[in-house]
Amino acid sequence: AQTVTQSQPEMSVQEAETVTLSCTYDTSENNYYLFWYKQPPSRQMILVIRQEAYKQQNATENRFSVNFQKAAKSFSLKISDSQLGDTAMYFCAFMATGANSKLTFGKGITLSVRP
Amino acid sequence: GAVVSQHPSWVICKSGTSVKIECRSLDFQATTMFWYRQFPKQSLMLMATSNEGSKATYEQGVEKDKFLINHASLTLSTLTVTSAHPEDSSFYICSATPIELAGYHEQYFGPGTRLTVT
Repeated sequence: AQTVTQSQPEMSVQEAETVTLSCTYDTSENNYYLFWYKQPPSRQMILVIRQEAYKQQNATENRFSVNFQKAAKSFSLKISDSQLGDTAMYFCAFMATGANSKLTFGKGITLSVRP
Repeated sequence: GAVVSQHPSWVICKSGTSVKIECRSLDFQATTMFWYRQFPKQSLMLMATSNEGSKATYEQGVEKDKFLINHASLTLSTLTVTSAHPEDSSFYICSATPIELAGYHEQYFGPGTRLTVT
């Protein structure tokens, strides 16, 4: 079974600053996907970024980038130039490839961006 | 594109009654939909995987007779909470993967349904 660990329950960052959210996972699978989802106060889940395990290059999406360390089973999210709209819960998630795959979520971290 | 809707967005029901929640993919077809439950300030817990035209697959610990799932078409899955009790009060979220994106394992989430059982 896979597990996803987000050990920081809360973080706070000043607007325009950079913040890194940590995530580790445990799996015996070799092929899988990793995701970061954002859940703002509206509670709508929004995909922030995804990473395929077979790709060595770290995924980036505008102000969001990841540091994927496969050997260490680490998948952190860096948010640059933080904006007030980034205030949300962030969930790290794992999905093995293959049929009948399902998402396993971490506990989440509450990020607050201070004006 | 890839919009998932849920109806209702908020429902209040009395203890002992049943309530149905709909999950629709508006602009794509999905052979597989997922149902999650989320308590306040907590993570999403997968309840079941809903496959069009076949029985749902429930996660361990989820009562299949209490949480009835029907996936009648490629755009609609329903979750019925039967004989609801206050402890069933929660936020229920569905997600779906477009058929053409099945290989990418990307799920699109609905806005969620808040269930309050009094």
